[in-house]
Amino acid sequence: DVKVTQSSRYLVKRTGEKVFLECVQDMDHENMFWYRQDPGLGLRLIYFSYDVKMKEKGDIPEGYSVSREKKERFSLILESASTNQTSMYLCASSPLTGTANQPQHFGDGTRLSIL
Amino acid sequence: AQTVTQSQPEMSVQEAETVTLSCTYDTSESDYYLFWYKQPPSRQMILVIRQEAYKQQNATENRFSVNFQKAAKSFSLKISDSQLGDAAMYFCAYRSVLHTGANSKLTFGKGITLSVRP
Repeated sequence: DVKVTQSSRYLVKRTGEKVFLECVQDMDHENMFWYRQDPGLGLRLIYFSYDVKMKEKGDIPEGYSVSREKKERFSLILESASTNQTSMYLCASSPLTGTANQPQHFGDGTRLSIL
Repeated sequence: AQTVTQSQPEMSVQEAETVTLSCTYDTSESDYYLFWYKQPPSRQMILVIRQEAYKQQNATENRFSVNFQKAAKSFSLKISDSQLGDAAMYFCAYRSVLHTGANSKLTFGKGITLSVRP
């Protein structure tokens, strides 16, 4: 089975801190994604990457950056955390090759609180 | 850009009964993929079922089936013989048939919370 591991289930940080959320997948997937999940808003794509060192902005990239130095690891960075970034963050991965109906596989999520 | 709409924020079903969750989408593409994902409380999001737009036959996975109406751009999920473990948030999602680069992303609806009454 595909395993997508997010480094923390719960995280509490202070306003202005630089925050790193880490995600690792073990299936050699090319695509990796970071979503933000808020009640009533569903999942919104922040950034995604389809190859090492490649990244593309999603729907809500403001206030975030990402890093993909190795194929298996995709990091989400909050450069200067703000209270409106309090949310659940989900990482996902999917293969690039094969048919497009390959699903995305999700991690358990990180519930981030910014105080 | 594609959009996915789940207009019902919550639904409830009696155990062993059948429930249908609605989803509509908007796209100008003729080929695409549709998915239903399940997110149990405090647990990982998992794929429930998928449908290829070029297939006329509705997808089925055990107690889960879809009613795919391409012309109406509707993709509803039917859960038969509902179980307590079906209680979760369900998301409908769209993906372009071009699965490279920017087209590999999913567009999600806002989700629907399903509760199952014992």
